[in-house]
Amino acid sequence: QKEVEQDPGPLSVPEGAIVSLNCTYSNSAFQYFMWYRQYSRKGPELLMYTYSSGNKEDGRFTAQVDKSSKYISLFIRDSQPSDSATYLCAMSRPGNTPLVFGKGTRLSVIA
Amino acid sequence: EAGVAQSPRYKIIEKRQSVAFWCNPISGHATLYWYQQILGQGPKLLIQFQNNGVVDDSQLPKDRFSAERLKGVDSTLKIQPAKLEDSAVYLCASSLVGPSSYEQYFGPGTRLTVT
Repeated sequence: QKEVEQDPGPLSVPEGAIVSLNCTYSNSAFQYFMWYRQYSRKGPELLMYTYSSGNKEDGRFTAQVDKSSKYISLFIRDSQPSDSATYLCAMSRPGNTPLVFGKGTRLSVIA
Repeated sequence: EAGVAQSPRYKIIEKRQSVAFWCNPISGHATLYWYQQILGQGPKLLIQFQNNGVVDDSQLPKDRFSAERLKGVDSTLKIQPAKLEDSAVYLCASSLVGPSSYEQYFGPGTRLTVT
């Protein structure tokens, strides 16, 4: 079993739709949960992070972590064509530790 | 604030040749990471430095890969000899040490094609 599982998609939605992206994980030591966005031929950029369980909202983006189910989600409201990218979930243990990534989900928002 | 710089952006080599990638992290970031991202996959850690010391190189194929960060700033990743399966994007990332160490900032990557 991989440490982090993420459905690679692709996912195609119409402009304005609500997008739901998800990851599951197996390592209960993970405490930091991140979502990165990666445009084609670019490096990943940090979109949101959550420490431990709970929700976090930033504009059109909401991140949720359910540690009891080992399940994290990213919701995008009022999706825009500019949101078209690959979304990577990433997790880390406390301390100065590397990130463990999911495969990434490729999202296309159609105008 | 300048981001993480990497060069070259693209490299095409034949198998069994050698190649080197360079990374300059964000100023003040003590921790530097090299990740390998194969097409369709998430980045996978190759090596982590804190200042000029290696913290984690457990996933680095040491028979062909080497990396150094001599002065605790810039870093070089080398592959010698390259194999076809080394075709990937090599990403450098940096972060502060401490409570915000989870915030890693990535460079644009070097896309390597081995033919």
